Amino acid sequence: QVHLMQSGAEVRKPGASVKVSCKASGYAFTGYYMHWVRQAPGQGLEWMGWIVPTSGGTNYAQKFQGRLTMTRDTSISTIYMELTGLTSDDTAMYFCARNSRSGNYYGGFDYWGQGTLVTVSS
Amino acid sequence: QTVVTQEPSFSVSPGGTVTLTCGLSSGSVSASYYPSWYQQTPGQAPRTLIYSTNTRSSGVPDRFSGSILGNKAALTITGAQADDESDYYCVLYMGNGDWVFGGGTKLTVL
Repeated sequence: QVHLMQSGAEVRKPGASVKVSCKASGYAFTGYYMHWVRQAPGQGLEWMGWIVPTSGGTNYAQKFQGRLTMTRDTSISTIYMELTGLTSDDTAMYFCARNSRSGNYYGGFDYWGQGTLVTVSS
Repeated sequence: QTVVTQEPSFSVSPGGTVTLTCGLSSGSVSASYYPSWYQQTPGQAPRTLIYSTNTRSSGVPDRFSGSILGNKAALTITGAQADDESDYYCVLYMGNGDWVFGGGTKLTVL
């Protein structure tokens, strides 16, 4: 069965960076685009971007351009999300999610990771 | 910038039917927006209910259905149960590879 396992909670100071991982299992890792979504405390979901596991190609929401980097390691079926220049506004739960259709970014998301809490505090 | 709109809150009686909608601040939602729906309870990851307008995710009961109603995407829940009380989010494909979530609907079953 499809499973997305994320890394553990992180605490960072303002101005620092954080890198969160998401390990996929139970399906052909390279077949599906992967997304990152975040949720600030008490707020709604916010789409951040996607990565193509085969090529490493990416697309980021304009809001995060310049400080968001998504990468992958196909040898261990894992994707990464790195966010730099952290502020308190980046305090949120970060989720990885698999695209529902193989080979493209259409269709929506089907499977989700359990979430990784990132806290930014001085 | 186009905003994805959802009702902030809705209530339904146990056993009743409710339709939540997902629209655009400008324009109409169609299947080419690939509307998808997610259920979330506090402290949990979202659960996928519907993707690509009306495809039910694995294990989701047929009480949940997706459609296009007029100029909006819709999620209909029939035979509402107490554990349907959750937050519901839609997401739309906005072109150029970008997705945007709605603000969510808090559904109360009472």
